[in-house]
Amino acid sequence: NAGVTQTPKFRILKIGQSMTLQCTQDMNHNYMYWYRQDPGMGLKLIYYSVGAGITDKGEVPNGYNVSRSTTEDFPLRLELAAPSQTSVYFCASSTRDRNTGELFFGEGSRLTVL
Amino acid sequence: RKEVEQDPGPFNVPEGATVAFNCTYSNSASQSFFWYRQDCRKEPKLLMSVYSSGNEDGRFTAQLNRASQYISLLIRDSKLSDSATYLCVVNYQAGTALIFGKGTTLSVSS
Repeated sequence: NAGVTQTPKFRILKIGQSMTLQCTQDMNHNYMYWYRQDPGMGLKLIYYSVGAGITDKGEVPNGYNVSRSTTEDFPLRLELAAPSQTSVYFCASSTRDRNTGELFFGEGSRLTVL
Repeated sequence: RKEVEQDPGPFNVPEGATVAFNCTYSNSASQSFFWYRQDCRKEPKLLMSVYSSGNEDGRFTAQLNRASQYISLLIRDSKLSDSATYLCVVNYQAGTALIFGKGTTLSVSS
């Protein structure tokens, strides 16, 4: 059972480059999320989606875009990468049941912008 | 005021010690509460939910005080394998994302 799969695991970008972080889940979860985690900091929500075709901004959406064309996939697009986007990015998914509170995370994508 | 605040840590304790982590949240309308565990350079994983009546899972006990907007996690008989960062997590509304605290780092030594 793969769960949540993120690619790539590591990436170095130059300032101004663009890239897409891929995220796919095989648990048929409706809810999907992108968080970033800076060293010594908590996870900050970038974007989330409650179902295919529906996305919404989180706490720190600037510089990012997302799409949700299928239940399984939730890619995160970085346009014009900046050093401030150096971080670890986590994709997560969950069911509709708010009471379980269990997010299933991918292993993370470590991005460095130089 | 930050939405979810935790003890700054780090906590360095010997094996067998009892250690407690505290967390406060700012939104009184918060509905659900959780503790997650994150190992170094790994993804967070759910440790346990926190219920109003308090709940226990082996050596771990979680408590919630809605009046004081306060959550706690107690770890008894600490093991080396308990070394990790513990994240306090709050959900304000169904269908919205969880809000994470910065985490408290625990280091258990032999």
